Amino acid sequence: QSVLTQPPSVSGAPGQRVIISCTGSSSNIGAGYDVHWYQQVPGTAPKLLIYGNSNRPSGVPDRFSGSKSGTSASLAITGLQAEDEADYYCQSYDSSLSRGVFGTGTKVTVL
Amino acid sequence: QVQLVQSGAEVKKPGASVKVSCKASGYTFTSYGISWVRQAPGQGLEWMGWISAYNGNTNFAQKLQGRVTMTTDTSTSAAYMELRSLRSDDTAVYYCARDLGSTAGFEPQYYWGQGTLVTVSS
Repeated sequence: QSVLTQPPSVSGAPGQRVIISCTGSSSNIGAGYDVHWYQQVPGTAPKLLIYGNSNRPSGVPDRFSGSKSGTSASLAITGLQAEDEADYYCQSYDSSLSRGVFGTGTKVTVL
Repeated sequence: QVQLVQSGAEVKKPGASVKVSCKASGYTFTSYGISWVRQAPGQGLEWMGWISAYNGNTNFAQKLQGRVTMTTDTSTSAAYMELRSLRSDDTAVYYCARDLGSTAGFEPQYYWGQGTLVTVSS
């Protein structure tokens, strides 16, 4: 069982905005550790989408944005496109477990 | 360009061991850590552990302590993950991934290997 909780699924029509939440606790996100986000198309390796809460690696469209507040973080996708259909995972560090942790994952469906 | 190339798929019997390799190229191997992440069929990502390619320091998920070993060979720029006493629930795709940066803190994983399917079945 993961210490970071995400909604199992979110969906939206092309062009819409969707938000994925990542809820943690005082030993991970709430302790000030950075949150990172990954996109995974089934059958392929994950791709780093957002690092350090809100930074995009080179090549990631600015339609993707991240934020963090308190014990939670969010990933927003604006102008949803068919190619955004994938699984998304948040990640942080947990001080009580002394290791990295992933969220439960969220499947994004483009209607 | 940075590449991580993993060894091929493995089929193992319960109780056996498996060793997955991850050959790195395109960067200074000792400047970045390597994480191992696994994904059981239809399940989410599970962070297994991390090794510093600089000094060999490691950090493992507690549930794997005692069963997993992570090593590096700086002469060949390769990382290895060995998992012992395999069980059916170890069946998964195993990924190696390089840290984004080289800070002292927990780094996200930026470059990923293609994954290695390990199947544990009698």
